[in-house]
Amino acid sequence: NAGVMQNPRHLVRRRGQEARLRCSPMKGHSHVYWYRQLPEEGLKFMVYLQKENIIDESGMPKERFSAEFPKEGPSILRIQQVVRGDSAAYFCASSPPSSGDNEQFFGPGTRLTVL
Amino acid sequence: EDQVTQSPEALRLQEGESSSLNCSYTVSGLRGLFWYRQDPGKGPEFLFTLYSAGEEKEKERLKATLTKKESFLHITAPKPEDSATYLCAVPRYSSASKIIFGSGTRLSIRP
Repeated sequence: NAGVMQNPRHLVRRRGQEARLRCSPMKGHSHVYWYRQLPEEGLKFMVYLQKENIIDESGMPKERFSAEFPKEGPSILRIQQVVRGDSAAYFCASSPPSSGDNEQFFGPGTRLTVL
Repeated sequence: EDQVTQSPEALRLQEGESSSLNCSYTVSGLRGLFWYRQDPGKGPEFLFTLYSAGEEKEKERLKATLTKKESFLHITAPKPEDSATYLCAVPRYSSASKIIFGSGTRLSIRP
């Protein structure tokens, strides 16, 4: 059973460009979460999605950041007009539909570098 | 405010030297406490979930325990391959999907 998959693993963008990060949850999981980890800092919650629905986006910056989880295909975290401060590791996690245990399983992350 | 604090920030041990990592939490109502291991350049790897005070879980050289205010991750006779950052996390009471992570303890085991 494949784990959570993220691509690309590394992404380099120049200031002002767009970054698209993809996440495929574990098989059978329908809940997806995005986290950001800045150098020497802990993981910070960004957004929680189910298929075609954003459930909680309270951790997302109000501008330039958006997320979706379409009926078909991976979840996408999109950052428009990237700035140097967006450089970080972005992790996706997933959990099964009736996750009473709230356990989340993480992907390997996408490391975004903004030049 | 819900909060998770881990100590120490970093811990260097000799191979075979047992020790404990601490995670203290403040949350309105505990819905579980998670321990993860994170290796450099990788995503967190799930280790344990604890739900109630007095609960203990073990995996190889690791044992996690829980009280009403803190959790300990005990490591017995560690090996160099146990070197990693260990993260503690709790779901917010108001929104169980939103997990709060501590900043982690960087554990280094010298051979």
